[in-house]
Amino acid sequence: GNSVTQMEGPVTLSEEAFLTINCTYTATGYPSLFWYVQYPGEGLQLLLKATKADDKGSNKGFEATYRKETTSFHLEKGSVQVSDSAVYFCALTAGGSYIPTFGRGTSLIVHP
Amino acid sequence: DTAVSQTPKYLVTQMGNDKSIKCEQNLGHDTMYWYKQDSKKFLKIMFSYNNKELIINETVPNRFSPKSPDKAHLNLHINSLELGDSAVYFCASSQGSDNSDTQYFGPGTRLTVL
Repeated sequence: GNSVTQMEGPVTLSEEAFLTINCTYTATGYPSLFWYVQYPGEGLQLLLKATKADDKGSNKGFEATYRKETTSFHLEKGSVQVSDSAVYFCALTAGGSYIPTFGRGTSLIVHP
Repeated sequence: DTAVSQTPKYLVTQMGNDKSIKCEQNLGHDTMYWYKQDSKKFLKIMFSYNNKELIINETVPNRFSPKSPDKAHLNLHINSLELGDSAVYFCASSQGSDNSDTQYFGPGTRLTVL
């Protein structure tokens, strides 16, 4: 079956630090890959996505590259802000299904 | 304009009671979902409806019953509430067309069972 593995949190950083949140996956066929973000007290919202190998998704300074050879979709940002504090979920859809499989989420805490 | 809305935002109730959570989407999507998020932020899909028909029913107690009166609404009714039902419940919707679909989530309903 499909699965998504994310690094455990919380990840705690100082403002302007570099961020990486690791995500690896197992899937049949050619999945689409997503990062969703959940700010405190809110629902999840799409941050970025990539639908084929070597595609790079980007939004709000965040980037992730779909790496088929390493089955990874790591999230990066060059300089985090306090307002980036949230829970980040990696997800995939595969096998012609639009029902996503979510990772367990990684909490990011950014200090001033 | 809120794309996916849920009511109520907070629900506090006693064990054994019956309660409902309402969800509406104005995105014109064909597919709607209910998710449960526990205190560790783990997200679990409960149900998925496509054009008012149930397409996924994960291992969920039959005390939980979804109802879809039309494509834009998916309500969740819970009978005989238990302490373990305390969680945040999210409604979501998507086009339901292919695997590049984006999920659009509501703001969540925090259910506390006392």
